[in-house]
Amino acid sequence: KAGVTQTPRYLIKTRGQQVTLSCSPISGHRSVSWYQQTPGQGLQFLFEYFSETQRNKGNFPGRFSGRQFSNSRSEMNVSTLELGDSALYLCASTGQGRAGANVLTFGAGSRLTVL
Amino acid sequence: GDSVTQMEGPVTLSEEAFLTINCTYTATGYPSLFWYVQYPGEGLQLLLKATKADDKGSNKGFEATYRKETTSFHLEKGSVQVSDSAVYFCALSGTGGGNKLTFGTGTQLKVEL
Repeated sequence: KAGVTQTPRYLIKTRGQQVTLSCSPISGHRSVSWYQQTPGQGLQFLFEYFSETQRNKGNFPGRFSGRQFSNSRSEMNVSTLELGDSALYLCASTGQGRAGANVLTFGAGSRLTVL
Repeated sequence: GDSVTQMEGPVTLSEEAFLTINCTYTATGYPSLFWYVQYPGEGLQLLLKATKADDKGSNKGFEATYRKETTSFHLEKGSVQVSDSAVYFCALSGTGGGNKLTFGTGTQLKVEL
């Protein structure tokens, strides 16, 4: 069973540019969450999508946005990049049912460097 | 709001030593508690979980017990191996619905021969 796939794995952008990151969840999983990981702030929740609807949102500026498609694949976008947006962006998918509740399966992440 | 506090790292141990990583939490309601592990260059992997008070989660020799009276979920292992070297994250699920997790800052474990 394939895991959570994130693309691209590494990317370098300059300030002011925008970036789109992609996440393919485990087959059958309908919930996709995004987290930002930095050495200073640790793991911070960005947002969660379920069946194409944003279900939860963290405390990030409006430059950070996301969406989910009908096949559960998700993308997140960061516009007008700042140096502080350099981070590892992790995507996680979650299955349904009590056994899978809150059990996140993470991808390997997309490492963004902003110059 | 919800928060998780973990002991600072790095923790350096010799192989076969006993491991404890402390984790305490603040939350409303009755959250589920988790330990995730992150190996270099990888995403996080679920290590174990507990969904209610006095539950014990266990996996690969690691254990943690959900202690509501002390709001704690300490991770323990009786005999660590070099392959256990990684960063360990304690986390809790919110009670507001959805799959949002609040993570601690992580504790790096280094196991030496």
